[in-house]
Amino acid sequence: EAGVAQSPRYKIIEKRQSVAFWCNPISGHATLYWYQQILGQGPKLLIQFQNNGVVDDSQLPKDRFSAERLKGVDSTLKIQPAKLEDSAVYLCASSLGLGSLGNEQFFGPGTRLTVL
Amino acid sequence: SQQGEEDPQALSIQEGENATMNCSYKTSINNLQWYRQNSGRGLVHLILIRSNEREKHSGRLRVTLDTSKKSSSLLITASRAADTASYFCAPTGTGGFKTIFGAGTRLFVKA
Repeated sequence: EAGVAQSPRYKIIEKRQSVAFWCNPISGHATLYWYQQILGQGPKLLIQFQNNGVVDDSQLPKDRFSAERLKGVDSTLKIQPAKLEDSAVYLCASSLGLGSLGNEQFFGPGTRLTVL
Repeated sequence: SQQGEEDPQALSIQEGENATMNCSYKTSINNLQWYRQNSGRGLVHLILIRSNEREKHSGRLRVTLDTSKKSSSLLITASRAADTASYFCAPTGTGGFKTIFGAGTRLFVKA
């Protein structure tokens, strides 16, 4: 079974530039998550999709971050414009469903973003 | 918030010893999961325990859950150098859809 795919693996940009990350979840997984993980901290949930609908985006900085999951499969996360504090690893994960439907999450390798 | 808080923040043991990590949370849960993260394999799901379960085993891992105390523990028996990683607990609230990761316990196993 193929795992969660993410690209790019690394990205270096200057502040105020834009950047986009792509995620392809495990086939058949209805729930997709984007996390931000700053060095030394746990993953922080940015946004959670159930199919192509948003379940939770309460911690997404909506003035600069946006995400979409067209057709309920692939997803993109965009930052525009980037700030120095956005330097982090961005993790994508997927799960079969929610709660009792099976919410064990499978993570991709992440994208390490450095904002200079 | 149902965010888990792990304790201790860091743990250093010798190979062959057991390692115990604890997690506390504040609200009622649907389930609680433990994950491991190391540089080689990224973030990996270890085990899920449901709110109506008290103990669960998987290989050298043993997880307990005490919903009355709102706490869980992860025991790794006969630790190996390869167990060196950060371990996170992630409770899922009773709504069943929100899973929040804690800051993690950093385990270092010395060979």
